[in-house]
Amino acid sequence: DIVMTQSPDSLAVSLGERATINCKSSQTVLDRSNNKNYLAWYQQKPGQPPKLLIYWASTRQSGVPDRFSGSGSGTDFTLTISSLQAEDVAVYYCQQCYSTPRTFGQGTKVEIK
Amino acid sequence: QLQLQESGPGLVRPSETLSLICTVSGGSIISSDHYWGWIRQFPGKGLEWIGSLYYSGRTHYNPSLKSRVTMSVDTSKNQFSLRLTSMTAADAAVYYCARDFGSPAPSDYWGQGILVTVSS
Repeated sequence: DIVMTQSPDSLAVSLGERATINCKSSQTVLDRSNNKNYLAWYQQKPGQPPKLLIYWASTRQSGVPDRFSGSGSGTDFTLTISSLQAEDVAVYYCQQCYSTPRTFGQGTKVEIK
Repeated sequence: QLQLQESGPGLVRPSETLSLICTVSGGSIISSDHYWGWIRQFPGKGLEWIGSLYYSGRTHYNPSLKSRVTMSVDTSKNQFSLRLTSMTAADAAVYYCARDFGSPAPSDYWGQGILVTVSS
């Protein structure tokens, strides 16, 4: 199985400041045949299912604010919230869908400082 | 707007079989572009992919659960289902059904989830 490791486990950021979450996979999730990274980011608020934010490592899902961005390739990825808003308080997960079983990171809790 | 809704028992006895149904509304489960799947979330909040299936019945299972899992689709009811045998306390979780927008692809629509407790 591909192991996904996120850092940090939790993060406290002031409103309007940048939040950065890292995700590292134990094997590449880049398919060189189509140059696609099979890496997604989800946001989960209490009592709700995960919500897809970013897929193919850097493509924003429809309706997701542009303060959310994803970057990285191969085994190292980053989710950035450029200017943290109160409604961004949540747990964020990365997921690889390059190989079966699809696996998730352990989650990063983002709070307001 | 596509909606998914899980249904089934919230309490299962140890060693028994869990049976859940996901009802899809606002769109057809017969889609050449999508897969349909199950994911569970443990009390400690970790997420585990259980498996996914195509409307034709083709399935992909998590190898760690493969001996206990069966997923099937009922296109006439626009539903798909999950069976997990030999339940133990370690299987207690919130079970989500979801749509994958391709294969392989992440899940873009999720049900609200159903909490399953395992207890005698």
